[in-house]
Amino acid sequence: QQQVKQSPQSLIVQKGGISIINCAYENTAFDYFPWYQQFPGKGPALLIAIRPDVSEKKEGRFTISFNKSAKQFSLHIMDSQPGDSATYFCAAYGGATNKLIFGTGTLLAVQP
Amino acid sequence: GAVVSQHPSWVICKSGTSVKIECRSLDFQATTMFWYRQFPKQSLMLMATSNEGSKATYEQGVEKDKFLINHASLTLSTLTVTSAHPEDSSFYICSANGRISTDTQYFGPGTRLTVL
Repeated sequence: QQQVKQSPQSLIVQKGGISIINCAYENTAFDYFPWYQQFPGKGPALLIAIRPDVSEKKEGRFTISFNKSAKQFSLHIMDSQPGDSATYFCAAYGGATNKLIFGTGTLLAVQP
Repeated sequence: GAVVSQHPSWVICKSGTSVKIECRSLDFQATTMFWYRQFPKQSLMLMATSNEGSKATYEQGVEKDKFLINHASLTLSTLTVTSAHPEDSSFYICSANGRISTDTQYFGPGTRLTVL
């Protein structure tokens, strides 16, 4: 119940295209859902986050869509650029523990 | 704002020696700091959670006598890998959350440990 399932494992997108990464969770006590971007050899950087009281949040080219009833959330990267090539992790927080539960990661490659 | 630093960024040591990694929150006071371990092409694995002035809480399977964590102040936590062995080689990352937004974690740049 503490797992966050993330797909796909890897993704190749053409420059200018839309990248979509999906995550699903089971624990309804989760109330905070961040996305992190990680470049090779670097720590994860907080990209965007959402709480369950809204269904969508947009920051620049990055959008989180949240479906509370389905217990799913996704990251959309519009107009994907080669500089977006990185590993993306979804995560969930909430409930009795003070921990972030991470998804397994998605390696995104944006081809020029 | 919300910058977390780690030192060193990489370290190479001989088997049997101990290595200390520092994690600092530069522009905020961290109520809680976390230590993660990441193997190549894998997700982050939480090792332990520490609060300032109290003992760290270790995740199941993490040896507390091997991975010593000290959280001496609201801006500094240290991880010491004692008697390091090649299997301890990994990417160690710390994170911190603040007093206002306790669910948001800000990550350091990571420390690459290689044990020969």
